[in-house]
Parts: sequence; structure tokens; C-alpha cells
Amino acid sequence: AQSVTQLDSQVPVFEEAPVELRCNYSSSVSVYLFWYVQYPNQGLQLLLKYLSGSTLVKGINGFEAEFNKSQTSFHLRKPSVHISDTAEYFCAVSDQGGGNKLTFGTGTQLKVEL
Amino acid sequence: GAVVSQHPSWVICKSGTSVKIECRSLDFQATTMFWYRQFPKQSLMLMATSNEGSKATYEQGVEKDKFLINHASLTLSTLTVTSAHPEDSSFYICSARNAGLNTGELFFGEGSRLTVL
Repeated sequence: AQSVTQLDSQVPVFEEAPVELRCNYSSSVSVYLFWYVQYPNQGLQLLLKYLSGSTLVKGINGFEAEFNKSQTSFHLRKPSVHISDTAEYFCAVSDQGGGNKLTFGTGTQLKVEL
Repeated sequence: GAVVSQHPSWVICKSGTSVKIECRSLDFQATTMFWYRQFPKQSLMLMATSNEGSKATYEQGVEKDKFLINHASLTLSTLTVTSAHPEDSSFYICSARNAGLNTGELFFGEGSRLTVL
């Protein structure tokens, strides 16, 4: 079984400032890692994913994340945020063995202010 | 590609009635679909795994007789909330796995907000 921890429930940040949303996971097997974004009253949109290979993953909207196996982390970063980035962000993990059952973190509300 | 559509987006019903929510994969075949429930300001809770042509697998604590899931084709899964009550009011989201990919990625529908009066 896997678990995901998103320590920050809310992250306020000023526009054009950098941001990091933290995600740690635990698993006894190799995993795939994902970040999803959810805007109010909408489903989830994939930001980026780590399957294998390079530990630095680039996604849409200028976001990137780095897989750190030793620290079991997959933190999401953006060098300069925009008002439109205000949303809920979910980190998720699934095992590589199949089934694709995603385990989600509790989410981080990113609020970008002027 | 990889679009998942849910219908309806919003539904209001009276207590005691049943509501059906559809989840369709528009441009790929989905042998497996997942149904989630999301309470306000909370994460997604997996309710059940829907497999085409077989019975759904429900997570612990989810009433299978209340939340009926049918996956009759490779592009359609339905969730029926039977005899709905106000406590069933929630945001229901489906996701689908593309049978042609092995990336672990799931594609999500837009969600369906159910309000039971």
C-alpha cells in the first residue's frame, strides 16, 4: 500500500513569486508519481508525471517537479506564479505493478495574491 | 486525445429518488474506470473500481447497494445513487485508464455535483 503526505494545506504567495508545494510518499514498491490541479467545481487536470528516467519532470503551465527517491519526495515548483495558478493541487502515487489505483494526498490550496 | 466526459455536471434531486451519472471516454477505450467522491475542501476518496464486463470492486465502507456501478462497454461507466439522501450530496468524479497505454496515468472527468434536497 502507498500513502501520500502533503504537509501544507494552504500556501499563499504573491504573484510573480516562486512557489514550492511539498509532497512526500511512502511505498514498499516502485511507484509512478503525479501532480494534478483542480479548479473550483471541475475535475482534475494532469500537471506532470514521473514514470522513470530523468528525475526532473517538466509539466504544463511552467510547473516542474523533482523526484527524490532517497527522500521519497516529489515537490512541485514554479519559478513565477500567476493569479490564474490559484487552485487546489493534488499529489498522487500509484504502484508500477498495474491496476493504476491512485492514492491521493490531501491537497494543497495555492492562493496567488496581487 | 484522452478526454473523459461526465454527465450531468450538476444535478439536484429530491430525497428518496435515484440519480444516474455517466462517465464516458470519448477517444479511447477504458477497460477500467474509477469513481471518486470528494467532500468540500477535501481530497478524493476512491469509492470503487469499475471493470468492463464484470462487477465493480468497492472500497471498504462504500455501500455497493447504494452506489450501483455498471461498466457495460469500453467507453461508458455509470454510477447510480439509489434512494438518495442529503448526506449523499457531494462532488462525484470519475477517471479512466487508457487500455492502450501503460503509463499509470488516469484521465479525469469534469465531475458531477449532486445536491439532494
